Amino acid sequence: DGGITQSPKYLFRKEGQNVTLSCEQNLNHDAMYWYRQDPGQGLRLIYYSQIVNDFQKGDIAEGYSVSREKKESFPLTVTSAQKNPTAFYLCASRFRDGEAFFGQGTRLTVV
Amino acid sequence: AQRVTQPEKLLSVFKGAPVELKCNYSYSGSPELFWYVQYSRQRLQLLLRHISRESIKGFTADLNKGETSFHLKKPFAQEEDSAMYYCALLYSSASKIIFGSGTRLSIRP
Repeated sequence: DGGITQSPKYLFRKEGQNVTLSCEQNLNHDAMYWYRQDPGQGLRLIYYSQIVNDFQKGDIAEGYSVSREKKESFPLTVTSAQKNPTAFYLCASRFRDGEAFFGQGTRLTVV
Repeated sequence: AQRVTQPEKLLSVFKGAPVELKCNYSYSGSPELFWYVQYSRQRLQLLLRHISRESIKGFTADLNKGETSFHLKKPFAQEEDSAMYYCALLYSSASKIIFGSGTRLSIRP
């Protein structure tokens, strides 16, 4: 079954802890993206990567970090420096001039 | 700065009425624009992109470079069109994609 998979679906974090969200794709896509979705604010770009071992900051990168060691994987770490991490996180991937395909999302809640 | 603006947070129309969801962009280069849709409990998916010039589910969108707009239109709304709609801009040189804040379309029976 091809596609883009995010895990876990729900994640709870205590204040002051780092947490990593997983994003895996088997579509052989070069580019991958992380967005944060908040009510009334749409999708805001956190980080994106065009190729392996390379990534760029998006519009709201502060408090987040990523890695792109494999083409298939683009994990996002929400660090304790992120002041308001409770949100819905979406991962996407894209092949060259194609459309972006999205995962089902991870809902992160700080408790 | 590059930006995508969707001025309406909520648009409510009656079934059978025409629909227009507005999208304006600011980008100094040659834009590539998309409309994505998110139905309840489903993942975000592509509705249409301007370079394909297709009509999907009765929706069309024309790129107007003079007005920097990419409005989404449908002549006769159906109840199954109720969803969240996002306009998106691709910076092709950087593979960067930014989205508008979204418009929730509600079709009343």
